[in-house]
Amino acid sequence: QSVLTQPPSASGTPGQRVTISCSESNSNSGSDYVQWYQQLPGTAPKLLIYRNTQRPSGVPDRFSGSKSGTSASLAISGLRSEDEADYYCVIWDDTLSGWVFGGGTKLTVL
Amino acid sequence: QVHLQQSGPGLVKPSQTLSLTCVISGDSVSSVSAAWNWFRQSPSRGLEYLGRTYYRSKWHYGYAVSVRSRILIKSDTSKNQFSLQLNSVTPEDTAVYYCARSFDGNLDSWGQGTLVTVSS
Repeated sequence: QSVLTQPPSASGTPGQRVTISCSESNSNSGSDYVQWYQQLPGTAPKLLIYRNTQRPSGVPDRFSGSKSGTSASLAISGLRSEDEADYYCVIWDDTLSGWVFGGGTKLTVL
Repeated sequence: QVHLQQSGPGLVKPSQTLSLTCVISGDSVSSVSAAWNWFRQSPSRGLEYLGRTYYRSKWHYGYAVSVRSRILIKSDTSKNQFSLQLNSVTPEDTAVYYCARSFDGNLDSWGQGTLVTVSS
């Protein structure tokens, strides 16, 4: 069973660049792709990055994703106050036949 | 544009059945390209996958191990909706429940969320 490990918190000042890491414990999940979701307070998660690096239409290019081996990262450049949210990495685990979520990272814009 | 509208009671008594419905607009529950999922979120358990249904020549259902003995997901093509039933609930099942579409391997559309409290 895969476990996705994220730091519980991250912070930055407006205009800065922050990165959030996501480490997968099980390299046999069968998943080559990581997704990232943004959850603003009181709302449902929103797809931010898919297939490791791709942005859905409407997502600013300030958001970028990368993946190497069993580690993935979400980078946010030009940090803005509205980026303050919880961020989750997610994979589909073939061995579980289910979605696996990281514990989430709470981003604070100072 | 896909829209998912959730409905169901916000309060369920212990040992009873939690029932939620997710009505789909902008897509079909019997789409051969999508799957229809249920999740929940609580401070203690984080975001948790519960199960899904999808149609590929026939209906398929999959459930998370953690709830497999208590869960039932149904699809209703006449109303273009799918539903969640979780039996024998306890206070640990208190959470915000979400329905979501997975398409091309992504959870691209979500319902608004329903807070369900298990309490007598």
